[in-house]
Amino acid sequence: DVKVTQSSRYLVKRTGEKVFLECVQDMDHENMFWYRQDPGLGLRLIYFSYDVKMKEKGDIPEGYSVSREKKERFSLILESASTNQTSMYLCASSPGTAETQYFGPGTRLLVL
Amino acid sequence: QKEVEQNSGPLSVPEGAIASLNCTYSDRVSQSFFWYRQYSGKSPELIMSIYSNGDKEDGRFTAQLNKASQYVSLLIRDSQPSDSATYLCAVNSPNQAGTALIFGKGTTLSVSS
Repeated sequence: DVKVTQSSRYLVKRTGEKVFLECVQDMDHENMFWYRQDPGLGLRLIYFSYDVKMKEKGDIPEGYSVSREKKERFSLILESASTNQTSMYLCASSPGTAETQYFGPGTRLLVL
Repeated sequence: QKEVEQNSGPLSVPEGAIASLNCTYSDRVSQSFFWYRQYSGKSPELIMSIYSNGDKEDGRFTAQLNKASQYVSLLIRDSQPSDSATYLCAVNSPNQAGTALIFGKGTTLSVSS
């Protein structure tokens, strides 16, 4: 079974803090993704990566950056957290383009 | 911007009935189609994938694909209260640079006992 894990289920941070969300997959997948999910807005792609050290912007990259130093690990960084970044953050991985994406359990982030 | 459209619902059906969830997509060259289920507060989990026109059955679930009409559906037979969740349709879009799958916003299904 594919397993995608995320470093925290719940996180509370202060405005202006630097926030790190980590995602690890154990199936040697090439592709990894970061989404945020908000009521009424669905899943919105923040960043994705098709290979180690490679990253591509998704639909809403502003205020975020990512790092993929190892194939199994994809980190999302909020450089200076703001209240409008309060959301559910979901990491996913897939073996190839247009293939099934497998999701981690999600991190619910609250920025005060 | 390529799109995937779903009726947000809620779709309410009684226990034992058939639930029919629908999805339309805008990119004619899409080739891969997925249905995910998401319980409240949880992450999406894959139910089914379908790649060819026609029906694909897996237990109580049947996915139907019609590429000419750009339409994909999910039928849930003998619906159970445990099927109450939001169902997300996802489609690949080769013409959209940099995006592997496009997700609809989901249809909320409520099954009453």
